[in-house]
Amino acid sequence: KNEVEQSPQNLTAQEGEFITINCSYSVGISALHWLQQHPGGGIVSLFMLSSGKKKHGRLIATINIQEKHSSLHITASHPRDSAVYICAVSGNTDKLIFGTGTRLQVFP
Amino acid sequence: EPEVTQTPSHQVTQMGQEVILRCVPISNHLYFYWYRQILGQKVEFLVSFYNNEISEKSEIFDDQFSVERPDGSNFTLKIRSTKLEDSAMYFCASMPRGGGYYGYTFGSGTRLTVV
Repeated sequence: KNEVEQSPQNLTAQEGEFITINCSYSVGISALHWLQQHPGGGIVSLFMLSSGKKKHGRLIATINIQEKHSSLHITASHPRDSAVYICAVSGNTDKLIFGTGTRLQVFP
Repeated sequence: EPEVTQTPSHQVTQMGQEVILRCVPISNHLYFYWYRQILGQKVEFLVSFYNNEISEKSEIFDDQFSVERPDGSNFTLKIRSTKLEDSAMYFCASMPRGGGYYGYTFGSGTRLTVV
C-alpha cells in the first residue's frame, strides 16, 4: 500500500471551475507539501503545512492531522493551472515521500 | 527569486560510463537533496546532505552513487557506472533551516538517458 495516496488521478475542468485534489497518508508526518510539476518536468513548491490552512492567490491548502488528510483547492481555475499536482510528506526525517500525482487539465 | 540551478538539462550517456550531475543550491540553504523520477513513475528520494555529510540515503543510493559538495557552492551527484535503469529525471533540491515558507526549492532537473 502506498504511504501517500492522491485522488483523483486525472481531473479535467472548464475554466472558472473550483477544483479539489485530495491526499491521504498513512504515516506520521512532520509536514505535508503540495507541489506542482509542469509538462517540462520542473517541480515547484506550492505549500508546506503542518496544521490548519494556507492560502496563496487562488490556491488554498488544508490539512486535518487527525484524519491524515489534506486537500488542495484551486478557485477560478485557468488553463495555465494545467499541470500535475503532487502531495508529499516528510516524517521524522526531512526526506519527502511522494504521492503519484493528480494530472489536471483545465480547458478554456 | 533565488533558484536552484542544475546542469546539464539533458545528458545522454553510454551504459557503463560515469556521469556527474551538477547543482548549485540556494546560497543560504543548509540542507541538500537528490531525488529522481523514472518516466511515468513517482518521484523517489535518493539522498540528503547536511553539514558536509550524507544524513540519509535510500536503498537506491548504492555504491554506484556518490555526492559531494566540493567547493561550498556546487553539489554534485556522481553515478560511477551507469545502467539502463538509471535513466530518469534527477532533481536537486535545497531547504533553509526550519524549512521556510515553502520548504523545498527544486531545480528544473537533469534528464539522464542511458543507452
